[in-house]
Amino acid sequence: AQTVTQSQPEMSVQEAETVTLSCTYDTSESDYYLFWYKQPPSRQMILVIRQEAYKQQNATENRFSVNFQKAAKSFSLKISDSQLGDAAMYFCAYRIPFFSGNTPLVFGKGTRLSVIA
Amino acid sequence: EAGVAQSPRYKIIEKRQSVAFWCNPISGHATLYWYQQILGQGPKLLIQFQNNGVVDDSQLPKDRFSAERLKGVDSTLKIQPAKLEDSAVYLCASSLPKAGTGRLYEQYFGPGTRLTVT
Repeated sequence: AQTVTQSQPEMSVQEAETVTLSCTYDTSESDYYLFWYKQPPSRQMILVIRQEAYKQQNATENRFSVNFQKAAKSFSLKISDSQLGDAAMYFCAYRIPFFSGNTPLVFGKGTRLSVIA
Repeated sequence: EAGVAQSPRYKIIEKRQSVAFWCNPISGHATLYWYQQILGQGPKLLIQFQNNGVVDDSQLPKDRFSAERLKGVDSTLKIQPAKLEDSAVYLCASSLPKAGTGRLYEQYFGPGTRLTVT
């Protein structure tokens, strides 16, 4: 069974600084997708960034980037120039590919990020 | 486009009572998911529908939970009777992989229903 582990229950960062959230996963699949989702307090979960396992290049979305280490089964999220609006729970998630049919996400337990003004 | 709608947003019930949650997915989305998010944990899949058929309900406690998706659109999740450990946020998500959109694989989440069982 696939598992996703986030070892940092809570993190904090100063506004405008950079923070890295860690995620490791376990799978026997060779092709899969990894995601970081953001869940602000009392608000719905939104996709921050995704990474296809077959791509060697790390995904980037504006201030958000990932460090994907396939051999180590590691998938960390870096947030640059942190803003107050980045404060939220961040979930790392895994999903097997579409050609297997629509599949559910497997989530980690989350990391609560606080941004200090 | 309109997002995934869920109601109610909050519900407080006593143990052994019943409760129902409603989800309206994004128009045209064939796949609908119900996740349970217990405080301090990540969401866990309860059931997945493809149109009005069940794809995966292996983690649904079928002795007390039931779900349906009539006509392949709206869905209802019911708990009867509720237990204290059912206190959680129940998230509904939908997706429709479409070739060429660049949004393949993305699931869109609703705001969730926070259930408190006392």
